[in-house]
Amino acid sequence: GAVVSQHPSRVICKSGTSVKIECRSLDFQATTMFWYRQFPKQSLMLMATSNEGSKATYEQGVEKDKFLINHASLTLSTLTVTSAHPEDSSFYICSARDTENYGYTFGSGTRLTVV
Amino acid sequence: KQEVTQIPAALSVPEGENLVLNCSFTDSAIYNLQWFRQDPGKGLTSLLLIQSSQREQTSGRLNASLDKSSGRSTLYIAASQPGDSATYLCAVSSGGYQKVTFGTGTKLQVIP
Repeated sequence: GAVVSQHPSRVICKSGTSVKIECRSLDFQATTMFWYRQFPKQSLMLMATSNEGSKATYEQGVEKDKFLINHASLTLSTLTVTSAHPEDSSFYICSARDTENYGYTFGSGTRLTVV
Repeated sequence: KQEVTQIPAALSVPEGENLVLNCSFTDSAIYNLQWFRQDPGKGLTSLLLIQSSQREQTSGRLNASLDKSSGRSTLYIAASQPGDSATYLCAVSSGGYQKVTFGTGTKLQVIP
């Protein structure tokens, strides 16, 4: 079945630095990938829709200059948290749609801690 | 705007019991509905995918049903095991880009 690989699984960074998270579709091409954020004991909130070769579509309230998304190829999307602050600490998960059955496959998530 | 609700928020059952998790959504114009499992601190594992034209899907001890007209889906787990303990999320795909909206989740604990 479709597999989405997400790296790193865990990262700790200092305030003010930037962190890049990668999301790869391993055995299928994904023209569209999605980035979610999950706060403790809450469900997933869609942050943005990443489209290959074009600009990402951000959900209301998500700062596009803070959360930079690049989808340069059909198998890779990246999320860069710029000038990270402690309030950016969260669990970030990407997903891609399997074009065969249109179900969604999720990465294993990235636990970001900003100190 | 699609809204997805899951009831109950938490459930604790003894091992071996059959159980039902509920998911309701407000906009019935969906592409599909997917049930996921999430273990603490982990990503999501897809359990069952039901297309809008389907009524149910089965995988092992799991059975998911879909009633689009009433905006409801249920996940039935037969003969529950301690390894089934996790948070179960339903997700509905609808609207532009087939955007996925997640439910609030049901945290299941199966007691040995």
